[in-house]
Amino acid sequence: GDSVTQMEGPVTLSEEAFLTINCTYTATGYPSLFWYVQYPGEGLQLLLKATKADDKGSNKGFEATYRKETTSFHLEKGSVQVSDSAVYFCASRFDTGGFKTIFGAGTRLFVKA
Amino acid sequence: DSGVTQTPKHLITATGQRVTLRCSPRSGDLSVYWYQQSLDQGLQFLIQYYNGEERAKGNILERFSAQQFPDLHSELNLSSLELGDSALYFCASSPGTSDTEAFFGQGTRLTVV
Repeated sequence: GDSVTQMEGPVTLSEEAFLTINCTYTATGYPSLFWYVQYPGEGLQLLLKATKADDKGSNKGFEATYRKETTSFHLEKGSVQVSDSAVYFCASRFDTGGFKTIFGAGTRLFVKA
Repeated sequence: DSGVTQTPKHLITATGQRVTLRCSPRSGDLSVYWYQQSLDQGLQFLIQYYNGEERAKGNILERFSAQQFPDLHSELNLSSLELGDSALYFCASSPGTSDTEAFFGQGTRLTVV
């Protein structure tokens, strides 16, 4: 069945370090792909999305490119800040007669000052 | 503040009991979504209502049910509770039928003892 796999956390980085959180998906077709962020005590917020192959989603310095050939959607940021500490979820979604969103397990990021 | 209000914030109840979680969507949003976030299952989509009608169904157990009322608020009913139902339950809302731009509430933490 369809699934989303993302790297296990926690990921601990120093401020201004480069961030990569890997995400791969399995699907029978071509889903839309998303990254969500969950700050402590809050619900999820959409961070970025890509709806077709080679699309690049970007927001707040974060980027991810939809790679059909490697079925991946890795999240990257060139220079993390302490305020980026949160849990990041990769997700895929098919819009077929309603929709079905599948979330990865989440990756917790700690950024140290 | 996302504008989505969930009550109560915390709930502790015994096995076999029934509880009702409430969600008020953002003003003007017609869709309400329910998600369950647990340590072992991760984040799972349960069900979506759009303008009072069930729109999409995910991994919702038969012991769980939901409805959306004419004023667009929604309730998630959980019955015959089991220890494994302990989780954070999120509600989200969006203007249309897509959850891409949905805004999440802060969640209701349910503990079954």
